[in-house]
Amino acid sequence: ILNVEQSPQSLHVQEGDSTNFTCSFPSSNFYALHWYRWETAKSPEALFVMTLNGDEKKKGRISATLNTKEGYSYLYIKGSQPEDSATYLCAFSSNTGKLIFGQGTTLQVKP
Amino acid sequence: DVKVTQSSRYLVKRTGEKVFLECVQDMDHENMFWYRQDPGLGLRLIYFSYDVKMKEKGDIPEGYSVSREKKERFSLILESASTNQTSMYLCASSLFGQGALGNQPQHFGDGTRLSIL
Repeated sequence: ILNVEQSPQSLHVQEGDSTNFTCSFPSSNFYALHWYRWETAKSPEALFVMTLNGDEKKKGRISATLNTKEGYSYLYIKGSQPEDSATYLCAFSSNTGKLIFGQGTTLQVKP
Repeated sequence: DVKVTQSSRYLVKRTGEKVFLECVQDMDHENMFWYRQDPGLGLRLIYFSYDVKMKEKGDIPEGYSVSREKKERFSLILESASTNQTSMYLCASSLFGQGALGNQPQHFGDGTRLSIL
C-alpha cells in the first residue's frame, strides 16, 4: 500500500516567521508530486506539480523542493502572513496516474 | 479560471436512500475525480474517469457508482446510503496531460458535506 506522510500535522507560527513542512512518499514508480493549499470553506487550490528530481518551484513567498531518490519534498513559506493559514496537502502520483494524498499540515499564522 | 461546481454544499439523507452527487466543470477537462475526506485521513479516491462513459475504480469504490454521460458532468451515486458514508465529498477535474493522469494539477469543487442519518 502506497503511503504519503506529512509532518508536522499542525503548526502555529507568528506573522513574519518563515516555516517549512515535509512530505514523504515512495521513491519507486515516481511520476509527479503535487502540493495544494486548502483554506477553510474554500476548495483546494493547486500550488505546484513537480516531476523532476531536484525540481524547485516558487510562487510568491511559497517555494517547494523535490528529492525523488530519497522520497521527500519540502514546502517553504517565507515571512508567513495570516492569509497563509490553511491546510497544505501533498499528493504523490505513480505511473498509474492516481493521486495518493497525505493527511495534510494545518498552518495557523497568528497576527 | 476553471470552475468546478458541485450541486450541493450540504446534504442530509436517510439510510437506504439512493443519493446522487453532481459535479460539473466548464473547462473541457478530460479527467474527473471523486474523493472523500474524513478527519485524520487524506483525500481518498473513490472513482475517476478519463473520458465520457469511461470509469475506473479508485481506492475505496465499495458502495459507490459513477456516471459520465457528458464530458462536463461526473455524477457520484450512493446506491443505498449508509451511515459510514457520512463525509465530505470533493469533485475534481484535470487535463489529460501528455498521456498521463498524474502530471496535471487538479481543480477542485467546494465540496459537499453529506450526512446520512
